[in-house]
Amino acid sequence: IAGITQAPTSQILAAGRRMTLRCTQDMRHNAMYWYRQDLGLGLRLIHYSNTAGTTGKGEVPDGYSVSRANTDDFPLTLASAVPSQTSVYFCASSDRGAGELFFGEGSRLTVL
Amino acid sequence: GQNIDQPTEMTATEGAIVQINCTYQTSGFNGLFWYQQHAGEAPTFLSYNVLDGLEEKGRFSSFLSRSKGYSYLLLKELQMKDSASYLCAAVDSNYQLIWGAGTKLIIKP
Repeated sequence: IAGITQAPTSQILAAGRRMTLRCTQDMRHNAMYWYRQDLGLGLRLIHYSNTAGTTGKGEVPDGYSVSRANTDDFPLTLASAVPSQTSVYFCASSDRGAGELFFGEGSRLTVL
Repeated sequence: GQNIDQPTEMTATEGAIVQINCTYQTSGFNGLFWYQQHAGEAPTFLSYNVLDGLEEKGRFSSFLSRSKGYSYLLLKELQMKDSASYLCAAVDSNYQLIWGAGTKLIIKP
C-alpha cells in the first residue's frame, strides 16, 4: 500500500527556476493539502483541495500554485523560486475535511 | 487571532511518564489532533478528541477540556523510540487545522 507518494525527495534549485513538486495518493481521498515545515514553526498550509477540480488558498499561498485535475494527483508549482522557499514540503490527504491526515514522506527543497 | 501553544522541548527518562500540554485559542472549535513526528520523517496520527475527557490508546492517552482550551498527551512507560516531536493541532469553525510548533521530546536512558 503506497498511501501518498511525493517526488522528488530532495532538490537543490537555483533562484528564479520553476519547480513542480509531485504528489500522488492511492487512497481515493477527497481532500489534499500542501504544507511547508520550517524549524521552530508549525506546519503552515500553502494550498488545499477539498475535491477534484477545486482548490483553495491556505495561510502562505504566495509564490505557489496548485492544480487538482483528478482525485489522485495534487502537484505544487513554484513559478520562480526564491531562497525563502527553502523548506520541507509535505503533501497530505484525508477522506474528509479536517479528518485524520495521511502525510507523504516530504520533499526537502533548497533554493540558492 | 488563532493560536496554539505547546512547550518547545521536554526531556524524560526511559520507563517514566511524561505529559505534553497544549493550549489553544481558535475561532470556534471542532476537535483537536495529536501527531507524532520522528526526525526526518512525516507526521503520523496519534489521537483525536472532540469531547471533554480522556481517550486512552495503549501507552498513549489524550485529554481535552473544551472550557479551558486545553489538551494534553500522556505517554506512559516511555521507550527510546518515543523520542520525537509531538504536534498539537486544533480544528477551527471553518474546519481548518491550526498547528502548534511542536514539542520535541528527548528520552534519556
